[in-house]
Amino acid sequence: DAKTTQPNSMESNEEEPVHLPCNHSTISGTDYIHWYRQLPSQGPEYVIHGLTSNVNNRMASLAIAEDRKSSTLILHRATLRDAAVYYCILRDRYMDSNYQLIWGAGTKLIIKP
Amino acid sequence: DTGVSQDPRHKITKRGQNVTFRCDPISEHNRLYWYRQTLGQGPEFLTYFQNEAQLEKSRLLSDRFSAERPKGSFSTLEIQRTEQGDSAMYLCASSLGPRGQSHEQYFGPGTRLTVT
Repeated sequence: DAKTTQPNSMESNEEEPVHLPCNHSTISGTDYIHWYRQLPSQGPEYVIHGLTSNVNNRMASLAIAEDRKSSTLILHRATLRDAAVYYCILRDRYMDSNYQLIWGAGTKLIIKP
Repeated sequence: DTGVSQDPRHKITKRGQNVTFRCDPISEHNRLYWYRQTLGQGPEFLTYFQNEAQLEKSRLLSDRFSAERPKGSFSTLEIQRTEQGDSAMYLCASSLGPRGQSHEQYFGPGTRLTVT
């Protein structure tokens, strides 16, 4: 399975944008890039996903490098409620019968007031 | 619909005892997943159901673990003869199939198991 690499932790100030990087140099052409986050004492929560093009939704934006070997999750204006562990995960679009997400340790995002 | 629910939220048991956890997915979701998460790590996939059929099982799932989803709705995960290494958070998630509609997995709050 293709793997992802993320920094262990990042800090940001409240009300400022946050860019969370993810490297996936062994990504295949059929892998989707998924992002989930896990707030303290809660189950993970879906954030966003993409394949090749940049994506926006109400929670965040996903910027995907042209060679797809890296991506960046962008929180446009971080709040204290965005403090969480953020996971970048790859999923093969054709492996429907093997639909499981392979999770790393994620990036712990710390928001300073 | 209030999302995925899990019961109990916390379970403390003695080594060697059996435990059973329940997961109620979002009602229209036909896919259900079980994960295990230890402190500081991301979730590890255990098993996956589509309706009542168990389609995938991880190598992590030893013979002491069994999961069911008898009517394609709620699911149970049983651990027999618990060991201290089974102490973890057990997460359930559900999603909507078929392919193309299942990008989002919705997770429950988890059941934290402590084996003493």
